[in-house]
Amino acid sequence: RKEVEQDPGPFNVPEGATVAFNCTYSNSASQSFFWYRQDCRKEPKLLMSVYSSGNEDGRFTAQLNRASQYISLLIRDSKLSDSATYLCVVSSGGGADGLTFGKGTHLIIQP
Amino acid sequence: ETGVTQTPRHLVMGMTNKKSLKCEQHLGHNAMYWYKQSAKKPLELMFVYNFKEQTENNSVPSRFSPECPNSSHLFLHLHTLQPEDSALYLCASSQVRQYYEQYFGPGTRLTVT
Repeated sequence: RKEVEQDPGPFNVPEGATVAFNCTYSNSASQSFFWYRQDCRKEPKLLMSVYSSGNEDGRFTAQLNRASQYISLLIRDSKLSDSATYLCVVSSGGGADGLTFGKGTHLIIQP
Repeated sequence: ETGVTQTPRHLVMGMTNKKSLKCEQHLGHNAMYWYKQSAKKPLELMFVYNFKEQTENNSVPSRFSPECPNSSHLFLHLHTLQPEDSALYLCASSQVRQYYEQYFGPGTRLTVT
């Protein structure tokens, strides 16, 4: 039983294109949602939180669909530097033990 | 130094060796974590320390032994490991209340031979 599921990719996308990928979660009691980014051979870094109303940070838009239990990340006008693995993280509350990481979606932006 | 540092960055050890991983955070955080990241698996939380007190141990084998002498330092003592323990071991820190915003160190790439 996979708690947080992501398409591992890789997604090969030309520079300047828009790319979107989803993450589904199985625990309907999940409370908070996040996207982390992990560059090749580097540590994960928090990219953005996902709010119920959806939120935007520059070229990045995150959305939550509680009814269908999925989170999405949209990247507009993609840059070469966006190439990375994007980790979906779901929290059931109660501290760090309630965080569940997905395996990540690998994104490759091609020139 | 800034952020979260880890040493060593790479470690090769035999199954009978004893070694320790070190983590130090310079962010003034009060929670620290050890994670294991294996190929094609999601990040697995191993240990949580809040205010130097261990709060979680996610059924980690006893051959992994954590130590947190203060809120800035975290160790992971390793002994009699198995080849399947080969992985990237990541340390992270955060404020206790903002446990979702974790700052990770660069990790220690461990190979058990």
